[in-house]
Amino acid sequence: KAGVTQTPRYLIKTRGQQVTLSCSPISGHRSVSWYQQTPGQGLQFLFEYFSETQRNKGNFPGRFSGRQFSNSRSEMNVSTLELGDSALYLCASNPGQTLRGQYFGPGTRLTVT
Amino acid sequence: TQLLEQSPQFLSIQEGENLTVYCNSSSVFSSLQWYRQEPGEGPVLLVTVVTGGEVKKLKRLTFQFGDARKDSSLHITAAQPGDTGLYLCAGEGGTSYGKLTFGQGTILTVHP
Repeated sequence: KAGVTQTPRYLIKTRGQQVTLSCSPISGHRSVSWYQQTPGQGLQFLFEYFSETQRNKGNFPGRFSGRQFSNSRSEMNVSTLELGDSALYLCASNPGQTLRGQYFGPGTRLTVT
Repeated sequence: TQLLEQSPQFLSIQEGENLTVYCNSSSVFSSLQWYRQEPGEGPVLLVTVVTGGEVKKLKRLTFQFGDARKDSSLHITAAQPGDTGLYLCAGEGGTSYGKLTFGQGTILTVHP
């Protein structure tokens, strides 16, 4: 099976712009989660989607949003980018069962200048 | 808020040495997961432990979940340079729906 894929792998944006990141989960996986990884804060949970519904959300401002499509592919959007949004954004998929671990993609490296 | 404290933050050892990484919390988790991450890549799942007191072995790696399901450890026997990387523990609640609480990570460097 192909793993989790994320596009693009690298992105440079300017403050105030918005950005959309894409994630394709492992075939058959219906749960997609998003995480932000920074050197200072480590890995922090953004949100999780299952069957096109957001089931859980982390403590991030409303500028961070996401959605999931009927084929389980997911996108996350960050509006009005700030310098502090520079990070590695990781997507993870799971069949939809808890306690089984997450399968992460390679991430999208976002740099905000 | 559930927090996971992982220690040590950095570990630099010689090939052949043993090491242990600890992951502690004041909260109970339904499962504790260990991941390894290499530069430029996403974390890769090593193991999931679910039952208090559970011990799992993966070749030279031994994972233990505390009896109270608040802590876990990762022990590597006879470390090799290929073990070098960032090791992350992550806790999951029973109804947390994909939300993992991660420790800060341990950067392991194994010198030949």
